[in-house]
Amino acid sequence: AQSVTQPDIHITVSEGASLELRCNYSYGATPYLFWYVQSPGQGLQLLLKYFSGDTLVQGIKGFEAEFKRSQSSFNLRKPSVHWSDAAEYFCAGGSGAGSYQLTFGKGTKLSVIP
Amino acid sequence: NAGVTQTPKFRVLKTGQSMTLLCAQDMNHEYMYWYRQDPGMGLRLIHYSVGEGTTAKGEVPDGYNVSRLKKQNFLLGLESAAPSQTSVYFCASRRGFGELFFGEGSRLTVL
Repeated sequence: AQSVTQPDIHITVSEGASLELRCNYSYGATPYLFWYVQSPGQGLQLLLKYFSGDTLVQGIKGFEAEFKRSQSSFNLRKPSVHWSDAAEYFCAGGSGAGSYQLTFGKGTKLSVIP
Repeated sequence: NAGVTQTPKFRVLKTGQSMTLLCAQDMNHEYMYWYRQDPGMGLRLIHYSVGEGTTAKGEVPDGYNVSRLKKQNFLLGLESAAPSQTSVYFCASRRGFGELFFGEGSRLTVL
């Protein structure tokens, strides 16, 4: 079955530290992948997306993600976290060939220590 | 430039009551989706539509019905609300296999 897994439920980092949020996928074909961010009480905002081509994808707010087929991963990174990055982050994936659904991971909540 | 608009944003129901959530998008997107979000569960797909007049079941469709009579609107109905349907509901739309654009959510409480 197609799935997206976020192994970390909650991560705490200090402001200014680097960040990596993990996402693993299970798809037969090459998936297309997304990272979304959700602030409390808000909807979901797209950070970045991967469809094909360059495996290192740049997004908004200084985030980037790298698609690694050999590890079935699409981890989100940021070199220096700001207090305003505290939010919940969701990885999502889908595949082509007539599949209209996107599958979401269960999310990783990020807390930032000032 | 509203994007995806959900109404109402908050609603409290008693068990057994019915209600309809309305989702409207102004981006001329073909695909529309209803998700529910519960703590620790991420977003789970309830129903989706790939075009006007079409609907399909997602991961958790039981207890919900949907209709897409117009391309821009996607309605989610609860015929007999249950406390297990207390959740935050998100509507989303997309063009082809692009990213999802989300509404701001509708918080439903069933007593």
